[in-house]
This record gives sequence, structure tokens and C-alpha cells, in this order.
Amino acid sequence: DTAVSQTPKYLVTQMGNDKSIKCEQNLGHDTMYWYKQDSKKFLKIMFSYNNKELIINETVPNRFSPKSPDKAHLNLHINSLELGDSAVYFCASSQGGGFNSPLHFGNGTRLTVT
Amino acid sequence: GESVGLHLPTLSVQEGDNSIINCAYSNSASDYFIWYKQESGKGPQFIIDIRSNMDKRQGQRVTVLLNKTVKHLSLQIAATQPGDSAVYFCAENNAGNMLTFGGGTRLMVKP
Repeated sequence: DTAVSQTPKYLVTQMGNDKSIKCEQNLGHDTMYWYKQDSKKFLKIMFSYNNKELIINETVPNRFSPKSPDKAHLNLHINSLELGDSAVYFCASSQGGGFNSPLHFGNGTRLTVT
Repeated sequence: GESVGLHLPTLSVQEGDNSIINCAYSNSASDYFIWYKQESGKGPQFIIDIRSNMDKRQGQRVTVLLNKTVKHLSLQIAATQPGDSAVYFCAENNAGNMLTFGGGTRLMVKP
């Protein structure tokens, strides 16, 4: 009955590899997000999708590509992984895309690139 | 753009005392603010929110105060408990464009 679930929880991989993180929400929300949290706990938005359409793409390298097959899913694919990609990635969802309602977060995917 | 409360300070309180966590936000056009709690290994968890047409809102053991004049937000936790130990983030909606998070404050509760 987890509201926002993302897999895997931990991901360890080598530089240059391609990996994906999956996210699903069962809250019936129409907007989903990906946030990146660095080692200093700073949370920064990467992408926002509303009804399967991209509405925010914040200065993220094009190695990162979000894919939203439907309103309940927003996956993140990363090509040619770099050391600097190591971080915790959080998926979130909210009702409405105007940032006037709370975001509900998953428990994160800790990505370590070696 | 500008960030909300960039550093990660630590607040240490005795169990049972009240805690006050402060946050300075950057965009005077922001009209919605949220406090989140993040425990180790988990995602940010919604605590309480407030809209700019209010200056105070109370929840269970928590109160959020908004001072738009000085662009300041605070979270008050009454009778702090060990389970309140976490990193707390404020966030502003940047006039509806995106949710921007502050750098967080670590709350440590001493038994």
C-alpha cells in the first residue's frame, strides 16, 4: 500500500553504464517528479511530468531521460553514467502541477557510480 | 536561481523541550510553503503547509509561522521527542513555477 514506490533502493554501477530507476504512485496524482539529493542533503528538481507531458526540465544533462508510460509511472533512464551522478534520486507526485499542493516522496534510490 | 536556507545547521534540544527551526525564503512572490521531515534512509515526509494569506497554522504538536515582510518561515515543535530527530526542510513554490527546497536543518533530540 506504499503511496510512491521506487526501485531499486540501491544501485551500484560502473562509469559508462546505462541504468534505469522506476517509480510508481498509487495516489491518483496527475503530476510526478524526479529530484536529486546530493551528499549535502540539497534537494534539486530534475523533471516534472503532468499527465504524461514534460513540464519542467531543469538544466539536467541529456544523458538523463524521463519516461512516463502513464500517469502512475515515471521512470528515469541514465546513459553513460558518470561519477558525479552518484546521489540519492527521489520520485514524487502531487495533485495538480502548479506547486500548490504537497509533494509525496518515495524513499529514494541511492545511486553509486564507481 | 536563489536557494532557500542553503546551509545544513544542526539544532540540538533536550527531550520535552520545544524546538524552533527557521528558514529564510527567497522569492517574495511565493505563495505556498511546506515543511518536510526526512529521516535517515527515507524520503521527505510532509509535515505541514501554509499559504501566503495566512501567517500561522497549527497541526498536531507543530506550528508554522510565516512572516512575509522579512521572508521568514519557522517550524515550532512542541514537547520534542526522540522520534522527531531528522533533517527538516522548508520549501517554497516560487510563484507556482516549482518547489524549491532549502538546505535543511538537522534536529537532534537528547534523551
